[in-house]
Amino acid sequence: DSGVTQTPKHLITATGQRVTLRCSPRSGDLSVYWYQQSLDQGLQFLIQYYNGEERAKGNILERFSAQQFPDLHSELNLSSLELGDSALYFCASSVITDTQYFGPGTRLTVL
Amino acid sequence: QKEVEQDPGPLSVPEGAIVSLNCTYSNSAFQYFMWYRQYSRKGPELLMYTYSSGNKEDGRFTAQVDKSSKYISLFIRDSQPSDSATYLCAMSAGSSNTGKLIFGQGTTLQVKP
Repeated sequence: DSGVTQTPKHLITATGQRVTLRCSPRSGDLSVYWYQQSLDQGLQFLIQYYNGEERAKGNILERFSAQQFPDLHSELNLSSLELGDSALYFCASSVITDTQYFGPGTRLTVL
Repeated sequence: QKEVEQDPGPLSVPEGAIVSLNCTYSNSAFQYFMWYRQYSRKGPELLMYTYSSGNKEDGRFTAQVDKSSKYISLFIRDSQPSDSATYLCAMSAGSSNTGKLIFGQGTTLQVKP
């Protein structure tokens, strides 16, 4: 157990819908990262927050957004969902920008 | 061309064999190198973390980094069936602003009893 928690474990929804994925980092970690894992693209960095502020952006679509709250938990919002958004979404945390520990992931299925 | 290249395998070995997993990369700014193990449908689990060039050993696992060749390796000694998983290499430039990781595609390893 890495200490990073993610909810829900599974999410099944329809095209055009909006969902929110939640992540709680390890105790004491200030940085939260979001990654998307699909069969064809592998693990891709989406976005990083550090102590409530956006720190880096990767290949994140405009339909996706994230935020980190004062208690350091983070949410990833996915809107206008498409079939191609079906993937595993992982959250990771680190103290600052060092060793990252991953959560168990949320499996999103868009029908 | 991808920044990090990793042979997806699959790699099948008998129990007790020495396993060698490798990645090459193109970005000379990478300074931090990691190996993660991922079981099916689970989150990646950190195995090894190395800064710059050199070797690091932890139990049955040895990580090597050769920055001059832009090549990293993970060796698993006395492999066990429980080592069957996907192994992902990951790298970071280690900027003070971000620790975003760039991953290889992952190599699927099967250790047969």
